[in-house]
Amino acid sequence: EADIYQTPRYLVIGTGKKITLECSQTMGHDKMYWYQQDPGMELHLIHYSYGVNSTEKGDLSSESTVSRIRTEHFPLTLESARPSHTSQYLCASSVAGMEGYEQYFGPGTRLTVT
Amino acid sequence: GENVEQHPSTLSVQEGDSAVIKCTYSDSASNYFPWYKQELGKRPQLIIDIRSNVGEKKDQRIAVTLNKTAKHFSLHITETQPEDSAVYFCAASNGGNNRLAFGKGNQVVVIP
Repeated sequence: EADIYQTPRYLVIGTGKKITLECSQTMGHDKMYWYQQDPGMELHLIHYSYGVNSTEKGDLSSESTVSRIRTEHFPLTLESARPSHTSQYLCASSVAGMEGYEQYFGPGTRLTVT
Repeated sequence: GENVEQHPSTLSVQEGDSAVIKCTYSDSASNYFPWYKQELGKRPQLIIDIRSNVGEKKDQRIAVTLNKTAKHFSLHITETQPEDSAVYFCAASNGGNNRLAFGKGNQVVVIP
């Protein structure tokens, strides 16, 4: 079944550690996005990509980085985790086109930095 | 950039009553307006969307209306049920870059 997957679902890690949050989609979408969201709160766009080798920063400044080497894969990396990074991270994807289209969200990774 | 505002922030309704959430947007070039529902602990999911060439769209108990002149759009839920309790997000996009500008969300509580 076509879907968007995120791993791990939950992560508790110490300050200063490097972490990578994985996102993969089997929907054949060109566009992918990362959002940061405290539970039930506002969705903040932190990174997006229009396709392979394309990455852009979003509206919310983030110390994370992303890469897009394969169409289906859009990992997010934090070089040195801090307690302020504690949040939920949602990955999303959509088709490309001149009109707006639905964004499909992954289940999220809940990150806690101690 | 686009700025989307969503009101009210919290809405409590009795089961069976109607709920209305209103959003305003700032960019007159926006032409795509989706609504997402996020249940507790779940991912946001699209429940209905509307494009700027349409004034109203309905899907069973939910409907969305769009007023391009006033730059606002609204979600209407009729005959509310407990499973309608969730956070609802509106969004707007001007299409080409397909970036969605989200509102801050609205917590809807349906009281049995």
